[in-house]
Amino acid sequence: DTGVSQDPRHKITKRGQNVTFRCDPISEHNRLYWYRQTLGQGPEFLTYFQNEAQLEKSRLLSDRFSAERPKGSFSTLEIQRTEQGDSAMYLCASSFGTSGSKSYNEQFFGPGTRLTVL
Amino acid sequence: RKEVEQDPGPFNVPEGATVAFNCTYSNSASQSFFWYRQDCRKEPKLLMSVYSSGNEDGRFTAQLNRASQYISLLIRDSKLSDSATYLCVVNPTGGGNKLTFGTGTQLKVEL
Repeated sequence: DTGVSQDPRHKITKRGQNVTFRCDPISEHNRLYWYRQTLGQGPEFLTYFQNEAQLEKSRLLSDRFSAERPKGSFSTLEIQRTEQGDSAMYLCASSFGTSGSKSYNEQFFGPGTRLTVL
Repeated sequence: RKEVEQDPGPFNVPEGATVAFNCTYSNSASQSFFWYRQDCRKEPKLLMSVYSSGNEDGRFTAQLNRASQYISLLIRDSKLSDSATYLCVVNPTGGGNKLTFGTGTQLKVEL
């Protein structure tokens, strides 16, 4: 399977603990995105990388959240001191990025990591 | 006003029916538009990009009206397997290609 993969698929943690999620994008894609989705809502943008550079962060991304993409391949999203409001599906997507063709902006999503904070 | 607005539904239609979803967006400078499909507890999957000239893919037709800031999706001859949530998605200019999603429209196709 050459799609976007995410690990773990499910995570249950206690309030106050730290959690880390991993995303492996489609190998030819240089852009990687993180989104968060809660029940009944569409995904909300958190942050994105072009290769290893983090180019934009949403105001949703409090200082308890940090994302990295150290070698421009896989990415990690860490949440420190989790709160019950952090419970959501965390989705990763990847795309080719801009190149003059609309299809290069099409983003493909991984299966997500479902986080439950007790 | 939300950046992307959709009727949440649900739309309950019989198999074989034609159904249309509409979506409005607030940023007039938006450049790219998409429809994604999302099944329950699964990730969104790209259904189709929406081009200014309109585009068709089998039973699915997407239209864009930039003047009215309006996007539509038409599904003909609906199948049971079309039951899902359809997300209207906009890529705002200067947004670094981040996507802004509507809340989705739920479709249920029934026998």
